[in-house]
Amino acid sequence: DVKVTQSSRYLVKRTGEKVFLECVQDMDHENMFWYRQDPGLGLRLIYFSYDVKMKEKGDIPEGYSVSREKKERFSLILESASTNQTSMYLCASSLVGAGDEQYFGPGTRLTVT
Amino acid sequence: LAKTTQPISMDSYEGQEVNITCSHNNIATNDYITWYQQFPSQGPRFIIQGYKTKVTNEVASLFIPADRKSSTLSLPRVSLSDTAVYYCLVGDRKGLMIKAAGNKLTFGGGTRVLVKP
Repeated sequence: DVKVTQSSRYLVKRTGEKVFLECVQDMDHENMFWYRQDPGLGLRLIYFSYDVKMKEKGDIPEGYSVSREKKERFSLILESASTNQTSMYLCASSLVGAGDEQYFGPGTRLTVT
Repeated sequence: LAKTTQPISMDSYEGQEVNITCSHNNIATNDYITWYQQFPSQGPRFIIQGYKTKVTNEVASLFIPADRKSSTLSLPRVSLSDTAVYYCLVGDRKGLMIKAAGNKLTFGGGTRVLVKP
């Protein structure tokens, strides 16, 4: 079974803090994704990566950056957290492409106060 | 990647069949149609994927007409545990398309299915 794990289920940070969200997958997948999910807005893609050190912006990259130094790990970074970044953050991976089956982690609920 | 449109919500009763239709008018030749299920406080989970005609697995069926501009997820004899949000996603299974500039991937708002006793 593919396993995608995220470093925290719940996180509370203060405005202006730098925040790191970590995601690890154990199935040697090429592609990894970061989404945020807000009520009424569904899942929105922040960034994705199709190879180590490669990244592409999704729909809402502003205020975020990512890092993929190793194939199995994809990090989402909030350089200076703001209250409008309070959300559920979901990481996913897929073997081949974006339309391929994506495996999701359990999510990190981030609250910025 | 093709944008999708789904109903916001649907109600049903235990034992009934639930059909959710997704519109994807701009589907491309290489695109597959994938459906996901999400329970509260969990990440989405893959249900079924298809390219054309009909696909069936132990959980659901997926009906895709010849023009592929829409698809219907069919959940037979639902139970209370099928209450969830269902997302339709259309995209190229291969890795090449996601590298193209301006190629965006969106799940949209999904369809909230409530199964009542």
